[in-house]
Amino acid sequence: QTVVTQEPSLTVSPGGTVTLTCGFSTGAVTSGHWPYWFQQKPGQTPRTLIYDTDTKHSWTPARFSGSLLGGRAALTLSGAQPEDEAEYYCLLVQGGSWVFGGGTKLTVL
Amino acid sequence: QVQLQESGPGLVKPSETLSLTCTVSGDSINNYYWSWIRQPPGKGLEFIGYIHYSGTTNYNPSLKSRVTLSIDTSKNQFSLNLRSVTAADTAVYYCARSHGLWWGQGTLVTVSS
Repeated sequence: QTVVTQEPSLTVSPGGTVTLTCGFSTGAVTSGHWPYWFQQKPGQTPRTLIYDTDTKHSWTPARFSGSLLGGRAALTLSGAQPEDEAEYYCLLVQGGSWVFGGGTKLTVL
Repeated sequence: QVQLQESGPGLVKPSETLSLTCTVSGDSINNYYWSWIRQPPGKGLEFIGYIHYSGTTNYNPSLKSRVTLSIDTSKNQFSLNLRSVTAADTAVYYCARSHGLWWGQGTLVTVSS
């Protein structure tokens, strides 16, 4: 079964920049895997930030951006704010099936 | 904009069938793919499956033997049936729409006698 990996935890300073990544245990991520990124705060429903690699929703803060980086999907946060502290999940589409990453706990400190 | 609302029992007994319905408003269910996703307490997100109005489905291989998705275009609804549940199926269940992945608010289903 396909496994999607993410960094378990990352820390960023307020105002700083951090990149979260998402990839397969074997093989590169491409735009054909339609990468998604979600933000989830405790007790809340996940919120979709990025879909189709780099497309933002109307509610996605401009400081978030999506890309492909070194064979992985990437979510870059530039100018971190305290309210960005959350769990971030990615989703990749492989062979028509959806596979979630295990999540990255982002601390803003 | 599209809105999704899950409904169904919050408590299911072990070995029974978990049944949930998602009602879609603001969009036709004849568009896109419609999915179910779950999240056990304190854990990550898990894909259950998706369905298209044409009848096309795709299920998580680990759940495929117990899951059936169906769609009712006349009611703009789609449904999840998960058979032979155990405590491991206790989770918040979300319905969602593909292309931009719009989420329902989720509903907690507890499996307990």
